[in-house]
Amino acid sequence: AQKITQTQPGMFVQEKEAVTLDCTYDTSDPSYGLFWYKQPSSGEMIFLIYQGSYDQQNATEGRYSLNFQKARKSANLVISASQLGDSAMYFCAMRGSGGYNKLIFGAGTRLAVHP
Amino acid sequence: SAVISQKPSRDICQRGTSLTIQCQVDSQVTMMFWYRQQPGQSLTLIATANQGSEATYESGFVIDKFPISRPNLTFSTLTVSNMSPEDSSIYLCSARGPGIGSIGELFFGEGSRLTVL
Repeated sequence: AQKITQTQPGMFVQEKEAVTLDCTYDTSDPSYGLFWYKQPSSGEMIFLIYQGSYDQQNATEGRYSLNFQKARKSANLVISASQLGDSAMYFCAMRGSGGYNKLIFGAGTRLAVHP
Repeated sequence: SAVISQKPSRDICQRGTSLTIQCQVDSQVTMMFWYRQQPGQSLTLIATANQGSEATYESGFVIDKFPISRPNLTFSTLTVSNMSPEDSSIYLCSARGPGIGSIGELFFGEGSRLTVL
């Protein structure tokens, strides 16, 4: 069975600083994908970044980067130069190679950016 | 990307009634999914909506409680039947398919927030 674990219910960071949100996963599939989504208070789910299990390099998208450590089964999200608008819930998710490619989500981390 | 529209965006319902949520995608997609997000919680997959056939339900969710239709490649409905206060949640429609979600990411509707009294 696949499992996603986010152990930080809440985090805070000072504006302009960097923050790391933790995510560990468990799967027996050799091929899988890892995703991060942002959910602001308005409720919509915003896709941020993706890492494939066979990707050699860590994914980056603007201020977002993914610290992918395959042996440790971790896929931490790093947000650089935090902005007030980054305050939101952040969810880590995983897609396996079977099962209609559905995504399963972690419990989420609430990030608060302080001025 | 894709634009996914859900309606209603929110509703207040009486115990014992049923409500149907509609999901419209602006392009044809192969996969559509329905998720539930209970207050302060993560997203839990209810079912995969299959075009032209019965939905595939996850453990803990049954067709009698959450009937789903998907008559074509752009539209799906989720009905929450015989509602109780425990059904108060945000229900999210999501999709992926050719041209969108090419790396497997899902695109989401804005959600339907249901409150059951």
